[in-house]
Amino acid sequence: DVKVTQSSRYLVKRTGEKVFLECVQDMDHENMFWYRQDPGLGLRLIYFSYDVKMKEKGDIPEGYSVSREKKERFSLILESASTNQTSMYLCASSLHGASTGELFFGEGSRLTVL
Amino acid sequence: AQSVSQHNHHVILSEAASLELGCNYSYGGTVNLFWYVQYPGQHLQLLLKYFSGDPLVKGIKGFEAEFIKSKFSFNLRKPSVQWSDTAEYFCAVNPTRTGNQFYFGTGTSLTVIP
Repeated sequence: DVKVTQSSRYLVKRTGEKVFLECVQDMDHENMFWYRQDPGLGLRLIYFSYDVKMKEKGDIPEGYSVSREKKERFSLILESASTNQTSMYLCASSLHGASTGELFFGEGSRLTVL
Repeated sequence: AQSVSQHNHHVILSEAASLELGCNYSYGGTVNLFWYVQYPGQHLQLLLKYFSGDPLVKGIKGFEAEFIKSKFSFNLRKPSVQWSDTAEYFCAVNPTRTGNQFYFGTGTSLTVIP
């Protein structure tokens, strides 16, 4: 089974702090994604990556950056956390290719910014 | 703007009732279609998917969905729901021209009353 592991399930940070969210997948997937999930808004794509050291902006990249130094690891960085970044953050991975199928999700990281 | 619409935000059913959740999308061209489910406290997991072929697809736990190309719809159905189906359901669209980008609906919260 594909396993996508997010290092922190719950975090509480203060406004202005730098936040790192880590995600590791164990199935050699090329694609990795960061979404945020908010009630009534569904899942919105923040950033994604097709390959090591490669990144593309999603629909809501403002206030976020990412890093992919190794194929299995994709990190989301909040340079200066703000209260409107309080949310559930979901990491996902998938195989490369247009019709290779589904996203595999981690359990999520619930971030609260005070 | 292109989008994925789930018209039912909250659905409450009694056990054994039939379920139909609507999903419409506005992306042109060839699409891959998915329904994901998120049980309370768990990660998002795939319920079923459509890539091509028979427009009626069957998934896990007795769910099925029908792709109607002319209506840009991919509605989820289950003839008889159980209390354990209480969850949030997300429709997702992967327009193949975008490669590996997935677009999610806002989700439908289903509560099944025993």
